[in-house]
Formats: sequence, C-alpha cells, structure tokens
Amino acid sequence: GAGVSQSPRYKVAKRGQDVALRCDPISGHVSLFWYQQALGQGPEFLTYFQNEAQLDKSGLPSDRFFAERPEGSVSTLKIQRTQQEDSAVYLCASGGRVRAQGGEQYFGPGTRLTVT
Amino acid sequence: GNSVTQMEGPVTLSEEAFLTINCTYTATGYPSLFWYVQYPGEGLQLLLKATKADDKGSNKGFEATYRKETTSFHLEKGSVQVSDSAVYFCALSDRGTDKLIFGTGTRLQVFP
Repeated sequence: GAGVSQSPRYKVAKRGQDVALRCDPISGHVSLFWYQQALGQGPEFLTYFQNEAQLDKSGLPSDRFFAERPEGSVSTLKIQRTQQEDSAVYLCASGGRVRAQGGEQYFGPGTRLTVT
Repeated sequence: GNSVTQMEGPVTLSEEAFLTINCTYTATGYPSLFWYVQYPGEGLQLLLKATKADDKGSNKGFEATYRKETTSFHLEKGSVQVSDSAVYFCALSDRGTDKLIFGTGTRLQVFP
C-alpha cells in the first residue's frame, strides 16, 4: 500500500493497562510524527522522529507515554498504566524523503483508544 | 508560542453557496500554512498549502491566500457541493521541526 497504516484501528483498554500502537509510514519517508486528537479538537503534537532519532518529544503528556522507531521505519507509541484522559484518536503522519519539506505530512487513519 | 485560531462551526450552507472559513495564526518567523480536510470516516488529507507570504494555495475549487499583514489564511470556495461536507483544519508548521500546529477544526455541512 502507498499510504500510512496504523494498527489496531480501535483499542479498548481497562484503566491501568499498557497499550502499544503501531505506525507503518510511507516507504522511504524520513520524518514521522505522532499526534493526539481528542473528540471535537484538532490534533496535538506528541513527538517527532527523523529516521530513528527522536528529535522532539515535547508534546508527550507524561512519562507514561513512550515512542520508538528503532530502525527508522515502523514506529510504536506505548502508553503505560492508561488513564481515562488518554482516550483519544492517535494519529501517525510521515513526510518527505529528506525532511517534511515545509511541513507537508501524510496521515494514517488513526487508532481510536478508549480507556474504561 | 505558535497557535492557530479558526472559526467555530458548524457552518451550514446550501449547495452552490459561497464558503469562507476564517483562520488566523500567531507565529514567530515565517511558517508554512495548510488546510487539511477530514471526510466522515476517513483520515486527515492535505487540501492545500502556502509556504510564503502572498502565496495562494488551491485545490478542488478551494483556495486560500497567505496574508502576512493580517496573519490570516482564510479558506474559500465559490460554489460548495454536498460532497464538501467534512471537518476542515487550518494548520501551521514549525520550521524548526516541521511539526504541525492545528486549529480546532470547523465542521461544514452542505445541504442539497
């Protein structure tokens, strides 16, 4: 496939459980971003990778959130000890063969996380 | 810090009406500006972009002009269709990391 894919598409977790969300970016894209979108809001930046290097993690809301991209392609966003306020759609985006070239990013369909 | 403000929705129009969705921004430096669209049940898609002052982005009959003097990037379309019903997000990119900063989104509903 040519686009960004994410899995699972839907995840229900009990409060306190750990979850792992996967992102497969467009092949060859150097930049990878994670965003969190609460209901009725715009996406908010979580973290940014250039290849395997995590260059910005200023948007991660707490130390329960962790992201990795060990080989510079697939990325995983992990949330430990989930809380109800973590319920949101988690979006992954990739961009550019060098950098995102002025910010143009291609988004995946998102993972909707519901914490009960 | 950088931020984007866009008009609240929903915007409700009849088919063939003129559309304007207002967007203003606050930023240091000269960001790139974007409109993304989210159709029902689908992911975010880039609609159009402009990378410098006075640039006009256009796509699918939509257009927006990067106005540095008013820090605005209003989205317009001369004649909307029912198929344009979606949520529209204005965004800017941080030139340091290229991360996107989004507005809260404006829902457009077009009725036949």
